[in-house]
This record gives sequence, C-alpha cells and structure tokens, in this order.
Amino acid sequence: GIQVEQSPPDLILQEGANSTLRCNFSDSVNNLQWFHQNPWGQLINLFYIPSGTKQNGRLSATTVATERYSLLYISSSQTTDSGVYFCAVEPGNTGKLIFGQGTTLQVKP
Amino acid sequence: DTGVSQDPRHKITKRGQNVTFRCDPISEHNRLYWYRQTLGQGPEFLTYFQNEAQLEKSRLLSDRFSAERPKGSFSTLEIQRTEQGDSAMYLCASSFGPEQFFGPGTRLTVL
Repeated sequence: GIQVEQSPPDLILQEGANSTLRCNFSDSVNNLQWFHQNPWGQLINLFYIPSGTKQNGRLSATTVATERYSLLYISSSQTTDSGVYFCAVEPGNTGKLIFGQGTTLQVKP
Repeated sequence: DTGVSQDPRHKITKRGQNVTFRCDPISEHNRLYWYRQTLGQGPEFLTYFQNEAQLEKSRLLSDRFSAERPKGSFSTLEIQRTEQGDSAMYLCASSFGPEQFFGPGTRLTVL
C-alpha cells in the first residue's frame, strides 16, 4: 500500500520563528490534506491541497504531485501552533485517508 | 453550521463488555468515515459509508466490530467483547467531496 512519511518527527521552535514540515508519499493520490491535532485530540483542517499552492494567514502549503511531496510552511510561529501536524493522502478514489506519523511541534515563548 | 459530533466523548469499560459510539455528520454530507488512533500514531482507516451503503472495511475491523448507518444520516460503531487492545481514540469524519472533516472523537479505555 501507499507509504506516507513526514519529517521531521519532532520540532522545537522559539516563538516568532519559521518552519517547514514535509510529507512524502509513495504513489499518486487523489486527495491530500494537512491537519493540526490539538491537545484534546481534535483534528483541525488546515488545507485540502492535492496540487498547487495555498495560503491561509501565517500558514501556506505546496503540493508537487508529480514529485510526490507536500510542504507546510508556518511563519512567525506562536505558542498556539504547538501540537501534532498530520499529512493524509487518499490513494485513487478509495475514500480512505492514509495518515503519516505526524510532526510534533513545540513553540516556546 | 455545526461540525461533526460524536457521543460519548469518553468511555471507560471493563474487558468483555460491549460499547457503542455514535457519530452525527455535517448536514448533507453523504460520506461518513470511521478511524482509530492509538497513542503516538496517526489515525487508521476502519470503514466508510456512502449514504447508507458500507463501501469499504479495513482488515483492522475484526468480527467484533460492526458499523451501521441505517438511514444515511448518523452512524454507530459497536465493539463487542472489548479487549484492552481496543483502547484508542475513535474518530468519525464526513465529507461531500474529497475533503474530510473530523469530529472530536470518542476516547475508549478498556480496563
């Protein structure tokens, strides 16, 4: 089955710093989503981005489908950005999302 | 516009008991999904429905697990004869197109 790898697994930043999270996937996909999981376990939708570039405030994402990777950029990080960031892909039109192992981000004041 | 809701939010049960969880999707979303997440891992797909039809089931969904969506609206996930290994967060999601939206989850602890 498709493999989804996220890097780095852990990231510690000072408030105000920028960061880039990466998601590599091993096959073509129908759907790619980025989520932020808060301390209570809720998955918050950040981007639906099977290809191209999108921006939402301090966050932006780029997916290069032909090269099978996606990047999530966080600028001017805040302590509220802390948590786990997941990339998830849907191979074909299967309906199922396959999640990576996540990147745990800690932003220190 | 309300999001996906799940009930209960937490469930503690003894090994061998049956438990049932409920998921109410976003209104007019025709697809509904169940995932399971254990500590330190990403969510894993269990099953999904399009309207009332169950279209795919993961091999993770053993014969002790059953999911229904009888009228194409809310869904239930039942686990019979719970085992300690069933302890996890059970997440429900819904969609109208390809983008899935998740509920807050039900955290199950089996003692």
